[in-house]
Amino acid sequence: QKEVEQDPGPLSVPEGAIVSLNCTYSNSAFQYFMWYRQYSRKGPELLMYTYSSGNKEDGRFTAQVDKSSKYISLFIRDSQPSDSATYLCAMTTQGGSEKLVFGKGTKLTVNP
Amino acid sequence: DTGVSQDPRHKITKRGQNVTFRCDPISEHNRLYWYRQTLGQGPEFLTYFQNEAQLEKSRLLSDRFSAERPKGSFSTLEIQRTEQGDSAMYLCASSHSGRGNEKLFFGSGTQLSVL
Repeated sequence: QKEVEQDPGPLSVPEGAIVSLNCTYSNSAFQYFMWYRQYSRKGPELLMYTYSSGNKEDGRFTAQVDKSSKYISLFIRDSQPSDSATYLCAMTTQGGSEKLVFGKGTKLTVNP
Repeated sequence: DTGVSQDPRHKITKRGQNVTFRCDPISEHNRLYWYRQTLGQGPEFLTYFQNEAQLEKSRLLSDRFSAERPKGSFSTLEIQRTEQGDSAMYLCASSHSGRGNEKLFFGSGTQLSVL
């Protein structure tokens, strides 16, 4: 079993839809959780960073962490075609980011 | 910030050749990381530096791989005697430790193809 599981999709939604992306993990030592967005042939770009259970909102994006279930989610409201990308969850056991463990990524397409 | 810069963007080489990649981190960042990403997978940690010291290396980093960060600024990643299995995107990232919520900023990567 991999430490971090993420459904690779692909996921296709119409513009304006609410998108839900999820990851599960097995290592209870993970304390810090991130979501990255990666466009084709580009490096990952940090979207959200959380370190406690609960919700964190930033514009159209909401990150949710449930440590008791070892489950994290990213919600995108009012999705736009420009949101079309691969979304990677990542997590680490330490306050620094020495060794992020990534999921496989979910490829999202938002259709106009 | 000019961002993390990687060079070259693409490299095609023949099996058995040596290749070297360069990474220039964000100027005030003291930590520099190398990750590898294959198609359909998330990035995997290879190694990281704090200033000029290499603090951790993954078991993925075989003896054919070597990384340096002289003077704690730019870094190079060299692969000797390349194999087809080395074909991947090599990503560099940097961060500033000691600021609490440490966040990694990635470059656009070097895409390596070994023929």
